[in-house]
Amino acid sequence: SQTIHQWPATLVQPVGSPLSLECTVEGTSNPNLYWYRQAAGRGLQLLFYSVGIGQISSEVPQNLSASRPQDRQFILSSKKLLLSDSGFYLCAWSVGRHTEAFFGQGTRLTVV
Amino acid sequence: DQQVKQNSPSLSVQEGRISILNCDYTNSMFDYFLWYKKYPAEGPTFLISISSIKDKNEDGRFTVFLNKSAKHLSLHIVPSQPGDSAVYFCAATGTDKLIFGTGTRLQVFP
Repeated sequence: SQTIHQWPATLVQPVGSPLSLECTVEGTSNPNLYWYRQAAGRGLQLLFYSVGIGQISSEVPQNLSASRPQDRQFILSSKKLLLSDSGFYLCAWSVGRHTEAFFGQGTRLTVV
Repeated sequence: DQQVKQNSPSLSVQEGRISILNCDYTNSMFDYFLWYKKYPAEGPTFLISISSIKDKNEDGRFTVFLNKSAKHLSLHIVPSQPGDSAVYFCAATGTDKLIFGTGTRLQVFP
């Protein structure tokens, strides 16, 4: 069966520090991969999505970046965090169009 | 540009009654729609979906209705149960992107 792993579950980082969140999927090949952010009291904002290795589409201009070094690995990064980067970050995968996406448990990031 | 909108941030329903959650979209290219349920500090879980070639899909207590001309979909939960209390998100896609709405917090009280 397919599973998705996302870590860490919680993270407290100072302003200006770097960030690396990792997500891996097991049990499927060539998934679509997504990064979302839920800010306090807001909906799920699509940040990045990827349909294959090295293929990244950015939805929102910001100081975050994403990479997909392997088929089932998706990484969210920042060189210098801002206070506004605080939120709940979610990784998800799907097998393509017109199918549901499955989410990881999320990472609560607090930038202080 | 919010392409998927849930205009009701919250809804309170008595146990056993019907819960109706609404969602509007603006992009006519969307052709597949989904509903998710989310508890705090957890990832959303998939509930039900509908293709644009249909106007209704039912799964147990959950039914999704799609009105393409109005660019509107709704989720009906009958009967509502206290365990249904959560935030519900609608989502839409027409390509490889999956766009979510802002969510509606449903509270089911005894």
